[in-house]
Amino acid sequence: SQQGEEDPQALSIQEGENATMNCSYKTSINNLQWYRQNSGRGLVHLILIRSNEREKHSGRLRVTLDTSKKSSSLLITASRAADTASYFCATAGAGNNRKLIWGLGTSLAVNP
Amino acid sequence: GAVVSQHPSWVICKSGTSVKIECRSLDFQATTMFWYRQFPKQSLMLMATSNEGSKATYEQGVEKDKFLINHASLTLSTLTVTSAHPEDSSFYICSARVLTADWGGNSPLHFGNGTRLTVT
Repeated sequence: SQQGEEDPQALSIQEGENATMNCSYKTSINNLQWYRQNSGRGLVHLILIRSNEREKHSGRLRVTLDTSKKSSSLLITASRAADTASYFCATAGAGNNRKLIWGLGTSLAVNP
Repeated sequence: GAVVSQHPSWVICKSGTSVKIECRSLDFQATTMFWYRQFPKQSLMLMATSNEGSKATYEQGVEKDKFLINHASLTLSTLTVTSAHPEDSSFYICSARVLTADWGGNSPLHFGNGTRLTVT
């Protein structure tokens, strides 16, 4: 069963603006991962943050993790039209569990 | 690196026929692959975990005889949708992990591009 929840479900912004997506989860985790999916395609891994990390950067992406609130956020700065996609968070459980628990996703539209 | 190739990218079949979807890890060995199903504008639903050389592990509610999984080598897993019906129409995606010393079984997944199945 899916336990992650992202909000907002859909987000529409203008090019150049920042986009923030949030993810909440319910159980203890080993790490949390963010993926991107272009329409009709597979998913691409963006960034992974460990449970003992609070913030991580990769290019224009910034991910935060608050384990006390069981939540994470993904910030895309200076968005581009090419960032238009769905973004999913997924949690890997503690204990080297091999299955990821997926969120429902945020659909991001970046308007030129 | 870490490319997962999935074929076909789309297939249309008649009700009652079977369809085979292939998932290959091109530049790494994958002892475990994951098969997902995704409905429009929805999240991923894990169907089964494919294990090389052994039986697949199916999620609750997924029919083993309906969705046959074979993982005969370290680079190939196949999903066969048997006696397909219109309700099986969906987007099927496979994924695999590159096991690393850092992450082991919790390393990120690499996905194929998915297969759009339409059963008429």
